[in-house]
This record gives sequence, C-alpha cells and structure tokens, in this order.
Amino acid sequence: GEQVEQRPPHLSVREGDSAVITCTYTDPNSYYFFWYKQEPGASLQLLMKVFSSTEINEGQGFTVLLNKKDKRLSLNLTAAHPGDSAAYFCAVSAENTGYQNFYFGKGTSLTVIP
Amino acid sequence: EAAVTQSPRNKVAVTGGKVTLSCNQTNNHNNMYWYRQDTGHGLRLIHYSYGAGSTEKGDIPDGYKASRPSQENFSLILELATPSQTSVYFCASGERLGGREQYFGPGTRLTVL
Repeated sequence: GEQVEQRPPHLSVREGDSAVITCTYTDPNSYYFFWYKQEPGASLQLLMKVFSSTEINEGQGFTVLLNKKDKRLSLNLTAAHPGDSAAYFCAVSAENTGYQNFYFGKGTSLTVIP
Repeated sequence: EAAVTQSPRNKVAVTGGKVTLSCNQTNNHNNMYWYRQDTGHGLRLIHYSYGAGSTEKGDIPDGYKASRPSQENFSLILELATPSQTSVYFCASGERLGGREQYFGPGTRLTVL
C-alpha cells in the first residue's frame, strides 16, 4: 500500500521566517493530496487540497507545491506567525471508486517563536 | 459547514471492559471513517464504511469492531478494551467521489486503565 513519509517531525522557526514541510509518497497512482492543520487539543482542519493537475496552490500565508515526478508534496509557510504553531499533516489518496482512503504522514509539530 | 460530532469526548475504561465510541454526521456523506492518533504514528485507519449497513477493515482493525446503522451514525466498539488502545480517536466523513476532503470530528480521548 501507499507509504507516506513526512519531514521534519518537529520544526521551530522565528516569527517572520519561512517554514517548509515535505511529504514523499510511493504510489504513482496517488491523485489527490491534502494538508491538514491540527491546533493543540483540537481536530484536523483542511488547509488545502491539491489535485494532480495543479502544481502550485497558494493560500493565506502559505504555498503548496506538488511534484508528481518526484512524488513530493510540500507546504511552505512564507512568513510564519505564532498562530501557525500547530501540527500539520499531509494526506494522500489514490483515485478509487466507491471509497477514498487517505494515507497520512506522521505529522510535523511546528512552533513559531515570537 | 460540515458537521461531525463524537461522543463521549473523554472516556476512562477498565481493561476487559466494553467501550463504544459514537460518531454522528449531518453532511449526508456516504463514507465514514474511524482513526486513532498516537504520537509518532500520525493517524491510522481502523474501520471505514461506504454507507448504512456496511463496515470495512482499515489498516489496524484488530481489537475493534464497527457498526453503521444509518447514514448519519458510525460507532467504534472495543469489546475487550486493553491499555494499548489508549489513544485519541477521530471520526471523519467524506463523499464517495475522489478528490473530496474528509471532515473530522473533535476527537475522543480514551484511557484504558
């Protein structure tokens, strides 16, 4: 089955600095890619979803880059602020009919120091 | 806005006891999922369901059963709870079509003593 590796497991940056989290996956049939944010003690909230036809997606203060050739997905927080402190998870899904199983990375705990 | 609720939010159980975790969604999604989250493991899929009456094994189903009596409700059952099942459990719902995100509930923190 799909194997998703997420790096780094912990990341500490100063306010205003950039933070990059990367996931690599193994299944070439993976087609849908998601980033979730989990604040302490809370549930997972969708940050962004990326499909195979999209290479770069920009959100509010972050950019997602998908490189299908290298099977790599990255989340770049361009100017981190303390409110970005949270755990981030990537999720990868293959195109199946009838159900959609997500394969999650193990997460990155991001701390933004004021 | 998608709505997935879980009950209870916190549970302390004794080894060998039966535990039922409940999940309700008002999204009218066909698919529902149960995950557990442990430090160093991320989220791991326990059971999922395509719709009312169906349950399927995920990646780590041993020691767990699931029940989907209706479109809205999906339960996770620990018949004989063990300390290794101490974890945070998340329910999620999602559409059957590819490319759709999963919506997560608030989680249940289970401690098995």
